[in-house]
Amino acid sequence: GAVVSQHPSWVICKSGTSVKIECRSLDFQATTMFWYRQFPKQSLMLMATSNEGSKATYEQGVEKDKFLINHASLTLSTLTVTSAHPEDSSFYICSAGGTGPGYGYTFGSGTRLTVV
Amino acid sequence: KNEVEQSPQNLTAQEGEFITINCSYSVGISALHWLQQHPGGGIVSLFMLSSGKKKHGRLIATINIQEKHSSLHITASHPRDSAVYICAVTYMEYGNKLVFGAGTILRVKS
Repeated sequence: GAVVSQHPSWVICKSGTSVKIECRSLDFQATTMFWYRQFPKQSLMLMATSNEGSKATYEQGVEKDKFLINHASLTLSTLTVTSAHPEDSSFYICSAGGTGPGYGYTFGSGTRLTVV
Repeated sequence: KNEVEQSPQNLTAQEGEFITINCSYSVGISALHWLQQHPGGGIVSLFMLSSGKKKHGRLIATINIQEKHSSLHITASHPRDSAVYICAVTYMEYGNKLVFGAGTILRVKS
């Protein structure tokens, strides 16, 4: 079946540095990639939707200059958390798919970011 | 407001028990999804439904369009079924964005 490989699975970084998270679709082309964050004991919150070759669409309240999304190819989408702060510590997960009725979603394994 | 309501929030069962998790949603969905999130955080898509019933192993998912309700059943539950089960829908007016329920934390004791 379809697989989305997400790296790194966990990262600890210093406050003020940037962190890049990658999601690669294996054996299929991901036209659309969704990026979510999840705080402990809460549900997934959609941050942005990226479509290959175009600018990402950010949800209300999500800073596009802080969370940079690049979807330059059909198999790779990246999320860069710039100038990370402790409040950015969270679980970030990507999902590919949902490009039409009958199409499911494939999730990455998630990245646990801790900013110290 | 289009929401997804899940119940129960928490569920503890003995190994072997039959488990049911419920999900209610508003009118106008294009599809409903049942997801499983493991303790490590990874999410697996279990089912995608727009009508009827689907079965995969010990898991059964049903949807009643008229009632705007779906259920996920686990037969002969096992400790390895312990996870968070999430109901999510795509509403036609939102395109392909998923709207998530709060999740059901399931713990199966041996």
